[in-house]
Amino acid sequence: TQLLEQSPQFLSIQEGENLTVYCNSSSVFSSLQWYRQEPGEGPVLLVTVVTGGEVKKLKRLTFQFGDARKDSSLHITAAQPGDTGLYLCAGDAGGNKLVFGAGTILRVKS
Amino acid sequence: KAGVTQTPRYLIKTRGQQVTLSCSPISGHRSVSWYQQTPGQGLQFLFEYFSETQRNKGNFPGRFSGRQFSNSRSEMNVSTLELGDSALYLCASRVTGTGLRTGELFFGEGSRLTVL
Repeated sequence: TQLLEQSPQFLSIQEGENLTVYCNSSSVFSSLQWYRQEPGEGPVLLVTVVTGGEVKKLKRLTFQFGDARKDSSLHITAAQPGDTGLYLCAGDAGGNKLVFGAGTILRVKS
Repeated sequence: KAGVTQTPRYLIKTRGQQVTLSCSPISGHRSVSWYQQTPGQGLQFLFEYFSETQRNKGNFPGRFSGRQFSNSRSEMNVSTLELGDSALYLCASRVTGTGLRTGELFFGEGSRLTVL
């Protein structure tokens, strides 16, 4: 069974601070997706990383896929209250199935 | 373009009852997946339907079942409800689901089930 572990589980920071969320596995994934979920809504895709070592930037968010395609990180620069939400990583387990991590709850205080 | 629509949004049932949840995918999306989300377990994959056929199934008991209609709309049913079935049930659709890589999932807002 392929598992994805996310850390930290909870993160409460002040506006303007930087943070990093980690997503780790002992399994190799062909690709990895990051989603953000806000209260009362379903998850929304932020990015998909495919190539080992790949780095993608989305405004203040930087996503990295590990060289061995077993881990990924999400770095947010100068966090804002609008970044508050549940961040989920999901690995492509093949067979059109995604394996989700348990998520990181981020709260950014103004 | 309308998003994924799930009904009902909220429902309360008692143990032993059954429940049916409905999902209308984005127009043109033929793949529909269902996930159970709980605070402790995160998102757990239930099953996926493509062209009216169940293509993948997660590790849930037989009390959880689903189906897909010719218009790609999907329903999931949970029979003999247990307290532990209380969760947010999310439906997600994809364009085709036949590519080499699992593409972006478009999620609905979910159906919040409370079992008393």
